[in-house]
Amino acid sequence: DSGVTQTPKHLITATGQRVTLRCSPRSGDLSVYWYQQSLDQGLQFLIQYYNGEERAKGNILERFSAQQFPDLHSELNLSSLELGDSALYFCASSPEYNSPLHFGNGTRLTVT
Amino acid sequence: AQTVTQSQPEMSVQEAETVTLSCTYDTSESDYYLFWYKQPPSRQMILVIRQEAYKQQNATENRFSVNFQKAAKSFSLKISDSQLGDAAMYFCAYRSARRGGSEKLVFGKGTKLTVNP
Repeated sequence: DSGVTQTPKHLITATGQRVTLRCSPRSGDLSVYWYQQSLDQGLQFLIQYYNGEERAKGNILERFSAQQFPDLHSELNLSSLELGDSALYFCASSPEYNSPLHFGNGTRLTVT
Repeated sequence: AQTVTQSQPEMSVQEAETVTLSCTYDTSESDYYLFWYKQPPSRQMILVIRQEAYKQQNATENRFSVNFQKAAKSFSLKISDSQLGDAAMYFCAYRSARRGGSEKLVFGKGTKLTVNP
């Protein structure tokens, strides 16, 4: 168990809908990262937050947004969903810049 | 931008044998970290081993060791005495050590390892 908790484990929704994925980092970890894993694109970095502030942004679509709350949990919001958004979404956390990332078990999103 | 390449989409090994997974990367930075992550069918991403670029000594973790060739930008993973539980996707990843820069991991496409009994 990595200590990073992601909910829900599975999510099935229809095109055009909006969903929210939740991540609770390991205790004490200030950084949260979101990754998307799809068959054709591999593991793609979406966004990083550090202690509530956006630190880095990757290949995140404008339809996607994220935030990190004062208690350090983070949410990834996906809107106007398309079939191509079906993927495994990972959250990871780390305590400081030179520490390894620890991953949650992911949320499997299926858009039908 | 940094890139990570894993040229072997699939590999197989006999139980108890040794296998080496390849990884090359491209960067203009001198200080960085390299990682191998394992993703079994359970889909969990598990850190296998980590290497700091400033260290010449290759990292080892039990049956797992790396061959880090900084000049060649190569970072291979050797699994000794392979076990059935080693069957998984293995991802090589790069992370900049530059302060103030992005701390994201850049992943390769992965190598699927099959362990045959």
